[in-house]
Amino acid sequence: DAKTTQPNSMESNEEEPVHLPCNHSTISGTDYIHWYRQLPSQGPEYVIHGLTSNVNNRMASLAIAEDRKSSTLILHRATLRDAAVYYCILWMRTSGSRLTFGEGTQLTVNP
Amino acid sequence: GAVVSQHPSRVICKSGTSVKIECRSLDFQATTMFWYRQFPKQSLMLMATSNEGSKATYEQGVEKDKFLINHASLTLSTLTVTSAHPEDSSFYICSAQRQVHGTEAFFGQGTRLTVV
Repeated sequence: DAKTTQPNSMESNEEEPVHLPCNHSTISGTDYIHWYRQLPSQGPEYVIHGLTSNVNNRMASLAIAEDRKSSTLILHRATLRDAAVYYCILWMRTSGSRLTFGEGTQLTVNP
Repeated sequence: GAVVSQHPSRVICKSGTSVKIECRSLDFQATTMFWYRQFPKQSLMLMATSNEGSKATYEQGVEKDKFLINHASLTLSTLTVTSAHPEDSSFYICSAQRQVHGTEAFFGQGTRLTVV
């Protein structure tokens, strides 16, 4: 399975932007880049996904490198409710829609 | 948006008993659902793929006779933990997605199982 690499933890201050990096150097052309986040004692929540182009939605933006070997999830103004574990996952056509979770990045937001 | 509902949210059972967890796709038909397990301070581990109308596919190391999966309809998958032991205590999470490659997955709220 193509793997992703994320920092174990990051910190941000409230109302400041947060850039969460993800490396996926073995990505193939049909692999989608997905981001989910998980709050304590809850199931993961979809954040955003993309294939080649940058994506924006109401929650976040996803910036994908030109060679697709890395991506960055951008939270434009962090709030305390954004404190969660963020998972960057490759959705591979060959995996039969199975999502394999790595360790993710624990985001702490300071008031 | 689509919603996946999981029930119960938490359950306590005695060792040796069985527990059933339900996962419902409320907004769309899901021919495939997934079951994960998560231990404290760890990531989600995929246990099995639930296929509507056919047998589930289990990940390596997951006992199919202990974790029974039934996907009897396009909106319901169940996970039964049989003869539960304290080491089965964990957070169990299901997910479902539309049958379009690459689209987002929707997760249930999780079930906290405690075996005493």
